[in-house]
Amino acid sequence: QQQVKQSPQSLIVQKGGISIINCAYENTAFDYFPWYQQFPGKGPALLIAIRPDVSEKKEGRFTISFNKSAKQFSLHIMDSQPGDSATYFCAARDSGGGADGLTFGKGTHLIIQP
Amino acid sequence: EPEVTQTPSHQVTQMGQEVILRCVPISNHLYFYWYRQILGQKVEFLVSFYNNEISEKSEIFDDQFSVERPDGSNFTLKIRSTKLEDSAMYFCASNRDRGVTYEQYFGPGTRLTVT
Repeated sequence: QQQVKQSPQSLIVQKGGISIINCAYENTAFDYFPWYQQFPGKGPALLIAIRPDVSEKKEGRFTISFNKSAKQFSLHIMDSQPGDSATYFCAARDSGGGADGLTFGKGTHLIIQP
Repeated sequence: EPEVTQTPSHQVTQMGQEVILRCVPISNHLYFYWYRQILGQKVEFLVSFYNNEISEKSEIFDDQFSVERPDGSNFTLKIRSTKLEDSAMYFCASNRDRGVTYEQYFGPGTRLTVT
């Protein structure tokens, strides 16, 4: 119930293409869904986040689409660039009981080919 | 831009030894967290801390772990008797006010190697 399932595990996209990473969850108490970008040897960096009262959020080339009824959300990276090559993690926060530790997906290793 | 900092960047210790990992959260943040990431795996929540108390801990955070805010700037994770399976990256994170903004900002991590 606490899991966040992320797919695909790895993804190769041509420069200029659209990268799409998907996540699904079961816990309806999740109320905040961030995406983190991680480069090798670095900490996760907050990229973009959404709350379940909206279906889409866009920041520059990054868009989160959220489907509350399907309990799914996805990250779209438009005009993907080689500098976007990194591992991407979706995560979710369970607000129940005053807790706010994030539950992470297993990550997607994204490679953008020039 | 303010950042979470962590020291050391790499710690090597022998099994059974105690280690203390240090973090300096962003200065006006009130909520602090530790996460770990075993090599090649997902990031896992360990503990959250607010107002000098643990507010939540995962099942990973057993009696060998403890956290402390010894002064106004540092936040530490102590592992009392390290095991081989404690080898991982440990990330500290902080949040300004979880009731208003949920964003957690992560530090660069400490790589812990237990031999």
